[in-house]
Amino acid sequence: GIQVEQSPPDLILQEGANSTLRCNFSDSVNNLQWFHQNPWGQLINLFYIPSGTKQNGRLSATTVATERYSLLYISSSQTTDSGVYFCAVDEGTSGSRLTFGEGTQLTVNP
Amino acid sequence: NAGVMQNPRHLVRRRGQEARLRCSPMKGHSHVYWYRQLPEEGLKFMVYLQKENIIDESGMPKERFSAEFPKEGPSILRIQQVVRGDSAAYFCASSPWGGNTEAFFGQGTRLTVV
Repeated sequence: GIQVEQSPPDLILQEGANSTLRCNFSDSVNNLQWFHQNPWGQLINLFYIPSGTKQNGRLSATTVATERYSLLYISSSQTTDSGVYFCAVDEGTSGSRLTFGEGTQLTVNP
Repeated sequence: NAGVMQNPRHLVRRRGQEARLRCSPMKGHSHVYWYRQLPEEGLKFMVYLQKENIIDESGMPKERFSAEFPKEGPSILRIQQVVRGDSAAYFCASSPWGGNTEAFFGQGTRLTVV
């Protein structure tokens, strides 16, 4: 099956700093999503981005499908950005059976 | 427009009991997926269902686990004779159709087996 690797595994920032999280995948995908799992365990949709670039407030994402990677940018980080960021992909064409990476644990200190 | 609803949020079961986890998809969504997150791990796909059909159960343990999505009512993930290793967060997701589309997740059910 498809392999998903996220880096870095852990990231500690001071409030206000910018960061880039990376997701590499081993095969062509038809679906790629970024999620934020907050400290309460809730899984929040950030982006549905199988290709191209999207922005939502302080967050943006870029997927280069031909080179099999995606980047999540967080600007002017806030303490509420803390949690685990997951990249998930689906190589199929039927349904959304996602394969998740191991996540990046982000801690933003005040 | 309510999101994906899961209940209960927390469930405690003794070893050997049955656990039933419920998932109501977003309005207009007819495709449901179950995932499991073991402690300190990422999420793993378990099963994909449409109304009255199991489409893909390749991620389901072979024994004790079953899932259904009846014509009426929520999707149910059932775990019989629970063991301590079943303790995990179980997430349900839904999508509007079966093609390549965004899946939306519920808040999860945290199962603790004592």
